Parts: sequence; C-alpha cells; structure tokens
Amino acid sequence: GAVVSQHPSRVICKSGTSVKIECRSLDFQATTMFWYRQFPKQSLMLMATSNEGSKATYEQGVEKDKFLINHASLTLSTLTVTSAHPEDSSFYICSARRGAFQSSYNSPLHFGNGTRLTVT
Amino acid sequence: EDKVVQSPLSLVVHEGDTVTLNCSYEVTNFRSLLWYKQEKKAPTFLFMLTSSGIEKKSGRLSSILDKKELFSILNITATQTGDSAVYLCAVVKNTGNQFYFGTGTSLTVIP
Repeated sequence: GAVVSQHPSRVICKSGTSVKIECRSLDFQATTMFWYRQFPKQSLMLMATSNEGSKATYEQGVEKDKFLINHASLTLSTLTVTSAHPEDSSFYICSARRGAFQSSYNSPLHFGNGTRLTVT
Repeated sequence: EDKVVQSPLSLVVHEGDTVTLNCSYEVTNFRSLLWYKQEKKAPTFLFMLTSSGIEKKSGRLSSILDKKELFSILNITATQTGDSAVYLCAVVKNTGNQFYFGTGTSLTVIP
C-alpha cells in the first residue's frame, strides 16, 4: 500500500490565491522530504528539500517566498503556492525516504501520488 | 554543474522486442543511481545501483552501472504493453541527500 500520502490530488484555483499541498509519510518517520515539479513530457525537477524542524533548502531558481515549505513534524510536510498564477499550473510531487539517519541515504524514495494544480 | 541525461527521450517498440535505456551522469561525489518507472502518477522504484559491473535483475528487467564511464543501462526483454511508461534514472550524491533526476525516457510498447 501507499507509504506516502499526498493531498489534494487535484486542485483548481483562481489567480492570486494560495494553495496548500500536504505530504504525509504514513508508516515511517521522515526527517527529510522532497518536493518536485513536473512539466508535461519532462522529468521531475527538484524544487526543495524539506527538513523537519528547520528551514527548507531550495534549488537554484526556485522562489522561496512563492513556494513556502513547512515541515512541522516527522510525518508531514506542506508546500504552499502563494499568489498562484497560471504559469504555476503543474504537477507537484512529494517524496520521502525511510529512515532518519545517515544510513538512509541509499534508501529509495517513496513518492506521493502528486497534485495537479490548475490556476485559472 | 551536475547533470543526468537519459537517452533516447522516447522509444516506440513492438511487444516482444528488447529495449535498452541509457542514463549518463556527470556529478561530483556520486553515491548511487536509481531507476524508477512512472506510469500515470508517482514513480515506482525499480533498482538501486552503487557498485560497478554488478547486474541487478528483476524478472524481465535488468540494470547495470559503469562508474568508470559514468553511465547505467536498463534492459527490458520481451516487452509487454504494460511496460509502457516513462523510465527515470536518478543520482544520489554523497553530500546532502537530494535525488537528481534525468530527463526520462518515454517507452511505448505497441501490441
């Protein structure tokens, strides 16, 4: 069964509003979660690394003020797209790795099912 | 700049064919390379490779890593329509724990 739950699976919002996407690890603790964005026919682009209890690490070119990440607990990370615009329409996927220690580096990622965001 | 490149970008084959997907990388502090299959939504894990020359096998799928030439291949034998998907490879570095994905190969298997 799914080990990472992402919600909502689909959201349509008006331009200028904010949207929050949740990512939960269901049966394990994840000190680190990752947020990706996927454009049609392209691979996953890492947006940011979400660290429990500390600030997220953003990849170059990703606006931290626009894509707010909060990792308040060991099982929940949220991505808020603030003041959304049509160009933010995309498929957003979160992932988490089992384990909280260095030895988990080689553990495969578990992905949520993604959120299709459409900004009108 | 770290880079992960997959080829071909897309591939159309007939059922029963054998395909080879390529993933080359240029990253500092390489730790491991992983293959994923993505159908409609979330990618599903296929293989993790850390050592050169050791083939990983699962049914009709197999993969191998060449750390000297900096690439990996994913083989699928006797392809089926259910193999149609985007295949992603990702590289994990020793520093930090982010996964860097390649561009993906879109495979379509025709009956």
